[in-house]
Amino acid sequence: QQPVQSPQAVILREGEDAVINCSSSKALYSVHWYRQKHGEAPVFLMILLKGGEQKGHDKISASFNEKKQQSSLYLTASQLSYSGTYFCGTEVAAGGTSYGKLTFGQGTILTVHP
Amino acid sequence: DAGVIQSPRHEVTEMGQEVTLRCKPISGHDYLFWYRQTMMRGLELLIYFNNNVPIDDSGMPEDRFSAKMPNASFSTLKIQPSEPRDSAVYFCASSLAVGPRETQYFGPGTRLLVL
Repeated sequence: QQPVQSPQAVILREGEDAVINCSSSKALYSVHWYRQKHGEAPVFLMILLKGGEQKGHDKISASFNEKKQQSSLYLTASQLSYSGTYFCGTEVAAGGTSYGKLTFGQGTILTVHP
Repeated sequence: DAGVIQSPRHEVTEMGQEVTLRCKPISGHDYLFWYRQTMMRGLELLIYFNNNVPIDDSGMPEDRFSAKMPNASFSTLKIQPSEPRDSAVYFCASSLAVGPRETQYFGPGTRLLVL
C-alpha cells in the first residue's frame, strides 16, 4: 500500500519551518525522501533506517519511528530553493532482507514565498 | 559523471501507435527501475531489473507494456498499442545495489502524450 503523506500542501514564507509526515500501515525497512521540482526528476535527500535514527542535510532533517511506521521531514528556516514536491518512498520489511522496492507517497507540495 | 540518460524527453503519438522509451543507467549500477508518474496515481514502480534480469514486474499495468534490458547499459520500455490513459511521465532510475543505504538516481524522464 501507498504510504500516506500529510499535509498535502504547505505554504511558507522564507525563514519559516515546516514538517512533512509519512505514515505506513506496514512495518518498514527504510524510508527514502526525495524532492521534485516542477518538470524535473525526483532528487534524493536522505535515507532513514529502522532503529529510530535521525539524519540531517543542511537545514533539512528527518526522523523515523519504526514502531509507529512513521517518518517526518523537518525543514528549518526555509529558503526559496526548498520549494517543490516532497515524496517519501517506503520499503516494506520482508524478513530482514532489502529488495530495494520503494512505494511512494502522493507527495507534499511545498511553496516558499519571499 | 553522466547521470541516468533517457530518450526521448518528449513523445507525442496517436492512439494505437507503438512507443519505445529508452534508458541508459549510471555506469556500474546493477539495478534499473522504471516508474510512471501521473497526477492521479503518483509515482508508481512498473518493473525493475538486477544485472539485466527482471526481478519484479508486478507493477506493469497490462500486456501492452513490456520492458527489456539487453545489456548493462541499456533498457527499453515499450507500449504497444498505446492508449490515451498511458499519458504520463516515465522515469528510469538506477542504483548501485539494493539495501538499506542504497540510493536510487532518477533520470530526467520522458513526457508521453497519447492523443
